[in-house]
Amino acid sequence: NAGVTQTPKFRILKIGQSMTLQCTQDMNHNYMYWYRQDPGMGLKLIYYSVGAGITDKGEVPNGYNVSRSTTEDFPLRLELAAPSQTSVYFCASSYLGQGNSPLHFGNGTRLTVT
Amino acid sequence: KQEVTQIPAALSVPEGENLVLNCSFTDSAIYNLQWFRQDPGKGLTSLLLIQSSQREQTSGRLNASLDKSSGRSTLYIAASQPGDSATYLCAVSPRGGGTSYGKLTFGQGTILTVHP
Repeated sequence: NAGVTQTPKFRILKIGQSMTLQCTQDMNHNYMYWYRQDPGMGLKLIYYSVGAGITDKGEVPNGYNVSRSTTEDFPLRLELAAPSQTSVYFCASSYLGQGNSPLHFGNGTRLTVT
Repeated sequence: KQEVTQIPAALSVPEGENLVLNCSFTDSAIYNLQWFRQDPGKGLTSLLLIQSSQREQTSGRLNASLDKSSGRSTLYIAASQPGDSATYLCAVSPRGGGTSYGKLTFGQGTILTVHP
């Protein structure tokens, strides 16, 4: 049972480039989330999804886009990378929403934009 | 706007010591509170989840308490071990459905080092 899998683990982008961070889970969870974690800070919610075909903005959505075509996959797209998007990105999923059940996290993608 | 603060930012203790990590939040209208552990280069692992109607939860050597009225939670670790060294984060979930889904507010974490 793999849980939540994120790829890639590391990536360096030049300003203005685009990329997609992949996230897949094999627990049949309806709820999935993308967070970013900046050094010495807590996690901030970028986007979330309550099921296939349904997504909504979190606290810091600007510069990002998501899609949820299947229950398993929740990719995060950066269209025009900026230095402010240098961060560690975590994907998470849960069986129930609103924190009613524990969140399961992937190991993160460390992104540097130069 | 909910704000979550964790004190201390870092803590170093000798092996075997009992210790307490603190978490405070500004808005008591929470649905629940979770404690997480994060190892270097890894994602977060959920340790304990306390519903707003509960006062505490226990798992092995860990005990988490919640005082919603005062906006505080503590994580008690008994008989600490070097393997407990990690960053510990708390997060609160807002009350109410709809747009509150998934909008956990995290503290910045406490870095715990347990030395032999």
